Amino acid sequence: QITLKESGPTLVKPTQTLTLTCTFSGFSLSTSGVGVGWIRQPPGKALEWLALIYWNDDKRYSPSLKSRLTITKDTSKNQVVLTMTNMDPVDTATYYCAHRKDIGGYDFFDYWGQGTLVTVSS
Amino acid sequence: SYELTQPPSVSVSPGQTARITCSGDALPKQYAYWYQQKPGQAPVLVIYKDSERPSGIPERFSGSSSGTTVTLTISGVQAEDEADYYCQSADSSGTYPHVVFGGGTKLTVL
Repeated sequence: QITLKESGPTLVKPTQTLTLTCTFSGFSLSTSGVGVGWIRQPPGKALEWLALIYWNDDKRYSPSLKSRLTITKDTSKNQVVLTMTNMDPVDTATYYCAHRKDIGGYDFFDYWGQGTLVTVSS
Repeated sequence: SYELTQPPSVSVSPGQTARITCSGDALPKQYAYWYQQKPGQAPVLVIYKDSERPSGIPERFSGSSSGTTVTLTISGVQAEDEADYYCQSADSSGTYPHVVFGGGTKLTVL
């Protein structure tokens, strides 16, 4: 059974760096084809993909946020960490991590964490 | 940047068929995926690779593709289907493909 859970601060100040951790179980990030992604959703708005890391440590970032994002994995701890620099109030959102399903090399997400709401405010 | 366009809202009566569209220039070359999101909950995958249904998803959910438009069809809509629906695909115009979501469609069951 695959489960994922996000953890991190609920409140950050503008200009600070956000660090979120996704802790998962039921799969290994060392298995070929596996990946973990981050997606966010501002209150009342649409989903926005942020980043994706693959079993082979390949990484993908949203072009619009690439300069602010870093995604890493710790396979031994079953964790993926996302950092976002220079936080702004517009970054207030629920942040989700999700399991990338491996079918033919296409990127989509079949299991999601419950999400964690991050508010950016001074 | 690449966009997937969805209607903001769709309304249907119980038992009717709901069709939610998603348009994008790259859809003839890239698969589409659909997620259902109920208030306060994480998204749930309901269709992958245009028309495949994950295990556990009711048969009334189906997907299709035609040119630059993909469609999520919910036959015999039930009250529990009221939710936001998001399409997802890939933008392959850059150095590497990356994930793109549509703006979402709110399905109201009258």
